[in-house]
Amino acid sequence: GAVVSQHPSRVICKSGTSVKIECRSLDFQATTMFWYRQFPKQSLMLMATSNEGSKATYEQGVEKDKFLINHASLTLSTLTVTSAHPEDSSFYICSARGRQEAGGTDTQYFGPGTRLTVL
Amino acid sequence: AQKITQTQPGMFVQEKEAVTLDCTYDTSDPSYGLFWYKQPSSGEMIFLIYQGSYDQQNATEGRYSLNFQKARKSANLVISASQLGDSAMYFCAMRGHNTNAGKSTFGDGTTLTVKP
Repeated sequence: GAVVSQHPSRVICKSGTSVKIECRSLDFQATTMFWYRQFPKQSLMLMATSNEGSKATYEQGVEKDKFLINHASLTLSTLTVTSAHPEDSSFYICSARGRQEAGGTDTQYFGPGTRLTVL
Repeated sequence: AQKITQTQPGMFVQEKEAVTLDCTYDTSDPSYGLFWYKQPSSGEMIFLIYQGSYDQQNATEGRYSLNFQKARKSANLVISASQLGDSAMYFCAMRGHNTNAGKSTFGDGTTLTVKP
């Protein structure tokens, strides 16, 4: 089936450093990629939507200068948390939307997530 | 606007029994898709099943089936013959085909615990 990879799976960093998270769709071309943040026992909170070759669309309340998104190709999107602080500690999940095969269902597939801890 | 409501924060089921997880939705979009995802403790969101708003039949995928009642705007997930590995959080989601810029809306989730 469709697979979305996300790297790293876990990262611990010092306050003030920047962290880059990569998201790749492995066997399909993603028309759109999404970045979510999730707190324990809560639902997913959409941070931004990105399409290949264009600027990301951020949800209200999400700082675009804090969470930099680059969508370099139809299979790769990156999220950079700049100058991370302890309140940025969270579980970040990327998602890629596309079809496994021509004529198939347009489905959103998720990466395994990245657990960020900022000390 | 789109909205998903999952009214069961937590559910328990005995192993090998069936369980229904509730999901109701609201949208003004005449064409939409409904999805269920499973999130085990590892955190990965696993796609389970899809139902299109114009599909005549309820979707089924192995032990998962979707009880789609369009008039009631409900899309309940039925898991048959529960297994211990089914213990996880389950999210219902929808995506309008004409609204909300293609973004999905997620419910708050239901935590399912399967008892041996």
